[in-house]
Amino acid sequence: QITLKESGPTLVKPTQTLTLTCTFSGFSLTTSGVGVAWLRQPPGKALEWLALIYWDDDRRFSPSLRSRLTITKDTSKNRVVLTMTNMDPVDTATYYCAHTRSVLGGTNWFGPWGQGTLVTVSS
Amino acid sequence: QSVLTQPPSVSGAPGQRVTISCTGSSSNIGAPYDVHWYQQLPGTAPKLLIYDNRNRPSGVPDRFSGSKSGTSASLAITGLQAGDEADYYCQSYDSSLSSWVFGGGTKLTVL
Repeated sequence: QITLKESGPTLVKPTQTLTLTCTFSGFSLTTSGVGVAWLRQPPGKALEWLALIYWDDDRRFSPSLRSRLTITKDTSKNRVVLTMTNMDPVDTATYYCAHTRSVLGGTNWFGPWGQGTLVTVSS
Repeated sequence: QSVLTQPPSVSGAPGQRVTISCTGSSSNIGAPYDVHWYQQLPGTAPKLLIYDNRNRPSGVPDRFSGSKSGTSASLAITGLQAGDEADYYCQSYDSSLSSWVFGGGTKLTVL
């Protein structure tokens, strides 16, 4: 059974850097084709894909946020870490990590998802 | 605005059938990239409902079905139940943006 769980601060100040950790079980990030994605959802709004890291360390980022994002993996601890710099109140959202697999043609789907963690950006 | 367009809301009575549309363009659904659907029950994380346009993951009832044609896709739900009240999102890949993209979501109300 695949499970994922996000952890990190619930409150960050504007201009600070957010660091979120996704701890997972039930799969390995050393398995060919496997990846972990980060997505977010502002309160009452739609889902947005942020970043993805594959088993081979291939990393993809949302073009609109690329300059602010870093994603890394620790396969020995089954963890993926997302950092987002220069946080702003508009970044207030529930942040999710999700399992994914590379698909020929690029149309990955995401699932299962973690429960999500609400991050509020406020001074 | 979202790259994929969904109606903000749909509704139906218990037992009825509803459909939710997802309209894209030649750089995503029409490219043609596959479409996936997610169900988000109130206060919970999204759950994969349909993958690759029409396939159901294990455990998803066959009351849920998906289809795709041209630059659009649809999710159909038959035999509506109160427990189907949720937000539904479509998702695909956009080659112009080099990004996985979502629709704006559709809130389903069971009357």
